Amino acid sequence: SQKIEQNSEALNIQEGKTATLTCNYTNYSPAYLQWYRQDPGRGPVFLLLIRENEKEKRKERLKVTFDTTLKQSLFHITASQPADSATYLCALYDYKLSFGAGTTVTVRA
Amino acid sequence: DTEVTQTPKHLVMGMTNKKSLKCEQHMGHRAMYWYKQKAKKPPELMFVYSYEKLSINESVPSRFSPECPNSSLLNLHLHALQPEDSALYLCASSLRRDYEQYFGPGTRLTVT
Repeated sequence: SQKIEQNSEALNIQEGKTATLTCNYTNYSPAYLQWYRQDPGRGPVFLLLIRENEKEKRKERLKVTFDTTLKQSLFHITASQPADSATYLCALYDYKLSFGAGTTVTVRA
Repeated sequence: DTEVTQTPKHLVMGMTNKKSLKCEQHMGHRAMYWYKQKAKKPPELMFVYSYEKLSINESVPSRFSPECPNSSLLNLHLHALQPEDSALYLCASSLRRDYEQYFGPGTRLTVT
């Protein structure tokens, strides 16, 4: 089965800067990869899905890249705001959705 | 309606009790899921229903019993739980199994 690694448990960043999160996986490349946001005590919220034939996807201040050669996805939050503070989860689908451990982002005002 | 609802929000139960968690969605999704999440860990899949049939059971102990009465409802029946079963239980749904998932707010379960 896939092993999914999100390289940082926590990321602290100044407001206005770009936060970059990494998701690495082993074994075969999935057909697509998803990113979710989770606030404490709440369910995850779907943010973006990127397919293996897409290099980059954007949604407002969010950008995701997918490199099947490196077996890696990068998730960027540009012009970060304190409201972006949350845990961000990378997820891969094979027969089920499997989540990475998550990276907790804290944006300082 | 683009949300998944879960009841109750909080539940405290003894090890001999029987209780049920409920989940509902009206988005026309045909796949529904139960996840368990412990503190500072990612959600862990328990069960998947696809078109109202159980398609995945991730080797969950029989003290957890899922039920899908119709395409909008999902229940999780709990019986003789252990303290280590205390966790946030999340329900999710998706249009199909390989689509993005929409999660409910969760039920915070404490087993005493």
